[in-house]
Amino acid sequence: DAGVIQSPRHEVTEMGQEVTLRCKPISGHDYLFWYRQTMMRGLELLIYFNNNVPIDDSGMPEDRFSAKMPNASFSTLKIQPSEPRDSAVYFCASSPDLQGSYEQYFGPGTRLTVT
Amino acid sequence: GDSVTQMEGPVTLSEEAFLTINCTYTATGYPSLFWYVQYPGEGLQLLLKATKADDKGSNKGFEATYRKETTSFHLEKGSVQVSDSAVYFCALKHAGNMLTFGGGTRLMVKP
Repeated sequence: DAGVIQSPRHEVTEMGQEVTLRCKPISGHDYLFWYRQTMMRGLELLIYFNNNVPIDDSGMPEDRFSAKMPNASFSTLKIQPSEPRDSAVYFCASSPDLQGSYEQYFGPGTRLTVT
Repeated sequence: GDSVTQMEGPVTLSEEAFLTINCTYTATGYPSLFWYVQYPGEGLQLLLKATKADDKGSNKGFEATYRKETTSFHLEKGSVQVSDSAVYFCALKHAGNMLTFGGGTRLMVKP
C-alpha cells in the first residue's frame, strides 16, 4: 500500500486566498483525521471522519476552515480566506478502527505558508 | 480528562550514548500507550506500543515499559545513532476514543 497520500507537499499563498489541502487515506481505513502542527501549539486535532461522516470538528479553529470527505478515498481541508497565522504543517492520518490499540497512519504533511 | 506530559527538549546526545525520554500520563482506567517518531520533513509513524500494565514495547532498539503504578511510559535506547535524530511523541488511547498526544521531545544526536 502507498500509505496516506497528501497533496500538495508545500503551498505558499497570499493572505486572503483560498487554500485546499487534499488527502487520500489508506484503502479500507474507516477513520480519517486532520491535524495541524505548529511550534507554538504542537500537534492539534482539527476534525475526524468515520465512514465519510464528520464526527468531531471541535478542533476546527474558526469558520474559515472546512473539511469534506465525499467518498472513502478522498478528503479535503479548505481555508477561505487564509491568514498568516494559518501557516503550519497540516497532516492527514487514517486508521482502520478506534477500538483497541489500532494505530493511526500519518501522511507526509502539507507545509502551508501564508504571506 | 486524559493528558500526556513529556520532558522538554531538545535532548542533545553524542552517538552511542544512552537515551531516556520521560513520559507520564493522567487517565482513568487502562489506556493503551504509544510512542510515535517524526523524522525531519515527514509525518508521524508508530515506533512502539503497549496495551496493558507491565507490557514492554520494543522496536529498532527502543524500549518502553507500561508502568501503571507510576503512570509512566519512558522511552529508552541503549546506544543512539545520528539517524535517531527526530521528534518523539508519547500518546495514549482508550478503546473507542482518540489518541491524546504529548507535546513532543526533539532528540539531536551528534557524531
